[in-house]
Amino acid sequence: TQLLEQSPQFLSIQEGENLTVYCNSSSVFSSLQWYRQEPGEGPVLLVTVVTGGEVKKLKRLTFQFGDARKDSSLHITAAQPGDTGLYLCAGVGSQGNLIFGKGTKLSVKP
Amino acid sequence: KAGVTQTPRYLIKTRGQQVTLSCSPISGHRSVSWYQQTPGQGLQFLFEYFSETQRNKGNFPGRFSGRQFSNSRSEMNVSTLELGDSALYLCASREGARNSPLHFGNGTRLTVT
Repeated sequence: TQLLEQSPQFLSIQEGENLTVYCNSSSVFSSLQWYRQEPGEGPVLLVTVVTGGEVKKLKRLTFQFGDARKDSSLHITAAQPGDTGLYLCAGVGSQGNLIFGKGTKLSVKP
Repeated sequence: KAGVTQTPRYLIKTRGQQVTLSCSPISGHRSVSWYQQTPGQGLQFLFEYFSETQRNKGNFPGRFSGRQFSNSRSEMNVSTLELGDSALYLCASREGARNSPLHFGNGTRLTVT
């Protein structure tokens, strides 16, 4: 069974701090996707990482795909209250469906 | 383009009843997937439809079923509702390729009492 484990489960920080959240698996994934979900809404895609070792930047967000394509991380620099939300990683499973981690719930206080 | 639309947004049902949820995908998207989201289990895959055929199915009991129409709109049905079926049900569409990103609707919040 392919599983994606995310850590930490919860994170509460002050505005301006940096943070990193992790997505790990014992399985290899051809690519990983990161989504953010805000209360009352569906998840929205942030980025897809495809190549082992790949680093992608989206403004203050930096995404990295592990060399072995089993893990990924998301680093946020100088977090803002607007970054508050549930961050989910997802990978394509062996049967073609997207498998999601349980997410990291981030709260950024002003 | 309009996004994925799910109706209704909120639903309250009683144990034993059945419910039908509706999803209209982004225009041109032929694949529709359904997920159940709960605080304890996160997002769990229910099933995916592509061109009116079920392409993939998760590990849910037969009480959960779905279908897709020729215009790609999809419905899911849950029969004999149980308290544990209370969840946010999310529909997502994508163009078709299995590694293409999902575009989610805002979900239907189902409460079973």
